[in-house]
Amino acid sequence: EAGVAQSPRYKIIEKRQSVAFWCNPISGHATLYWYQQILGQGPKLLIQFQNNGVVDDSQLPKDRFSAERLKGVDSTLKIQPAKLEDSAVYLCASSQTGAGDQPQHFGDGTRLSIL
Amino acid sequence: GNSVTQMEGPVTLSEEAFLTINCTYTATGYPSLFWYVQYPGEGLQLLLKATKADDKGSNKGFEATYRKETTSFHLEKGSVQVSDSAVYFCALSPTGNQFYFGTGTSLTVIP
Repeated sequence: EAGVAQSPRYKIIEKRQSVAFWCNPISGHATLYWYQQILGQGPKLLIQFQNNGVVDDSQLPKDRFSAERLKGVDSTLKIQPAKLEDSAVYLCASSQTGAGDQPQHFGDGTRLSIL
Repeated sequence: GNSVTQMEGPVTLSEEAFLTINCTYTATGYPSLFWYVQYPGEGLQLLLKATKADDKGSNKGFEATYRKETTSFHLEKGSVQVSDSAVYFCALSPTGNQFYFGTGTSLTVIP
């Protein structure tokens, strides 16, 4: 089966600019996650969708970050305006139903550098 | 609360050496436990999992046993190869749907 697809792979922007990332989960997976992985750290959950509804966005900096999954399939994550501390790899993951015993399948990530 | 603590790296081993990466957790309820591996420039890949106490997950020569009494899920491999060089993440998922990841342990295997 095709894995989780993310684009772009790399993005370099200046602070205060905006940026968007795209994710296409594994076909049929109801649950989609966006993580932020800062260099040398483990992934930190930003937002979790179940189909097209938000399950958890408690760690999403809502003043600058937004995400949507309009048709319950693809998702976009946006940052506007970007800050230096947003430099990180943004990982998208999906799982079949989101149950606790199911693994999450990750994309290769988007590496964001803020100048 | 829920959290995962991994041994700090980096870890450097010679090929065919024995590997242990320690992982302990704090969780409410009865979580599922996972090990993920991340190769350079790639996303995380599931290595193995265990969903209840005393379960042993295994894959590609790696093993980990879910120890409820010591709240641990240590990763082991009897004979590492150069191709095992990567960052390893321990993770837990409580009875719910959020994952909590450790900070990762970098492993370098030298020929």
